[in-house]
Amino acid sequence: AQRVTQPEKLLSVFKGAPVELKCNYSYSGSPELFWYVQYSRQRLQLLLRHISRESIKGFTADLNKGETSFHLKKPFAQEEDSAMYYCAPPPGAGNMLTFGGGTRLMVKP
Amino acid sequence: DVKVTQSSRYLVKRTGEKVFLECVQDMDHENMFWYRQDPGLGLRLIYFSYDVKMKEKGDIPEGYSVSREKKERFSLILESASTNQTSMYLCASSLSDVGPLHFGNGTRLTVT
Repeated sequence: AQRVTQPEKLLSVFKGAPVELKCNYSYSGSPELFWYVQYSRQRLQLLLRHISRESIKGFTADLNKGETSFHLKKPFAQEEDSAMYYCAPPPGAGNMLTFGGGTRLMVKP
Repeated sequence: DVKVTQSSRYLVKRTGEKVFLECVQDMDHENMFWYRQDPGLGLRLIYFSYDVKMKEKGDIPEGYSVSREKKERFSLILESASTNQTSMYLCASSLSDVGPLHFGNGTRLTVT
C-alpha cells in the first residue's frame, strides 16, 4: 500500500520566489503519484502525475526514490498559484485513499 | 473531458433527516468515490465502489451508506444527519486503479 504525507499545512511565499511543496511517500513496489490542485471555488483537479514527467503551469515534480519524495516545484511563484495542493497515490485496491491534509500555498504580491 | 456532476452545490438539512447526495459521471468509469473535505483534515474517504452494486468502506464510513445501482451513479446516504456531518462532500471517479481521480464540484452540506 502507498501512503503519502505532506508535512506543511501552509506555505507562504512572495510572488517571484521559488516554491517547493513537500510530499513524502512510503510504498511497496514502484510508486505512482499524483499532484492535485484546488483553486478557490473550483473543483479539485489533477495538476500532474509522476509517470508523465511533464510540466504543468510551470510546476514539475520529480520522484526521488532515495528520499522517497515527490516534491512539487516551481521556480517563480505567481499569485494565481495560490491554492490547496494535495499529493496522492492512485486509487487502486490496497492503497490508502485518504489524501491527507494537503498544503495551502499562498503567494503574496 | 470527464464530467462528474453532483446534484446539489449547497444543501441545508435538519438533524435526524435522511439525506441523499447524488453523483453522476459520464465517462463509463469503473471506480467511484465519496470523500469529505474539512479544514485541517484534508480529504477523508467515506466509501468507494469498483463496480455496480459493489461498495467498500473507506476511513470514515460511520453514519453513512452508499448505493451504486448503475455504473454512472453513486449515491451517498446519511441515514440520520447529525451536526458533525456538516462538511464539503466530494465525489470522484477514475477509469482504472492507476488512473487519476476526476472530481465533482462538491456539495456543501450544513446540518442544523
